[in-house]
Amino acid sequence: DIVMTQSPDSLAVSLGERATINCKSSQSVLYSSNNKNYLAWYQQKPGQPPKLLISWASTRESGVPDRFSGSGSGTDFTLTISSLQAEDVAVYYCQQCYSTPFTFGPGTKVDIK
Amino acid sequence: EVLLVESGGGLVQPGGSLRLSCAASGFTFSSFWMLWVRQAPGKGLVWVSRINTGGSSTTYADSVKGRFTISRDNAKNTLYLQMNSLRAEDTAVYYCVRPGYCSSTSCHTPFDYWGQGTLVTVSS
Repeated sequence: DIVMTQSPDSLAVSLGERATINCKSSQSVLYSSNNKNYLAWYQQKPGQPPKLLISWASTRESGVPDRFSGSGSGTDFTLTISSLQAEDVAVYYCQQCYSTPFTFGPGTKVDIK
Repeated sequence: EVLLVESGGGLVQPGGSLRLSCAASGFTFSSFWMLWVRQAPGKGLVWVSRINTGGSSTTYADSVKGRFTISRDNAKNTLYLQMNSLRAEDTAVYYCVRPGYCSSTSCHTPFDYWGQGTLVTVSS
């Protein structure tokens, strides 16, 4: 199984400041035949199901604010919130969909400082 | 609007059984693979099982293999999860999930839509 790790476990950022979350996979999730990274990011607010934010490591889903961006390739990935807003308080998960079981990272909790 | 509505959760004793259902609407159900993901209280997300469009191909996490069975009824636009020999560690919110569009033979797309979830509690 591909093991996903995230850092930090939690972070507190001032409103308007940048938040950066790292995700690492135990093996590459880059599929060489199409040059796509099979890596997604989800946001989960308390009492709600997860919401897909970013697909293929860097493609923002429709309706997701452009302050959210994803980067990275192979085994190392980053989710950046460029200017944290109050509504961004949530737990963020990375997930690989390269091979089953489609494993998730343990999550990173983002709070306001 | 895509809607996924789970039902069937509840309290069950260890060793017992439960069947979850997921009523889908707002899209052509028979054209999409479907999945179940669970989340234990205060914990992270765990992929449980998936099924192809016609129901002929299923995959399970090792932790539920041999105990859980995923199935679907395309005529009723409904996904199921039959859970047998339940254990305390199966206690979780179970989400019905629709991934993005997949090919007929494989599915490696992110999880586009999630239901609100149904809570399964295994306890004596």
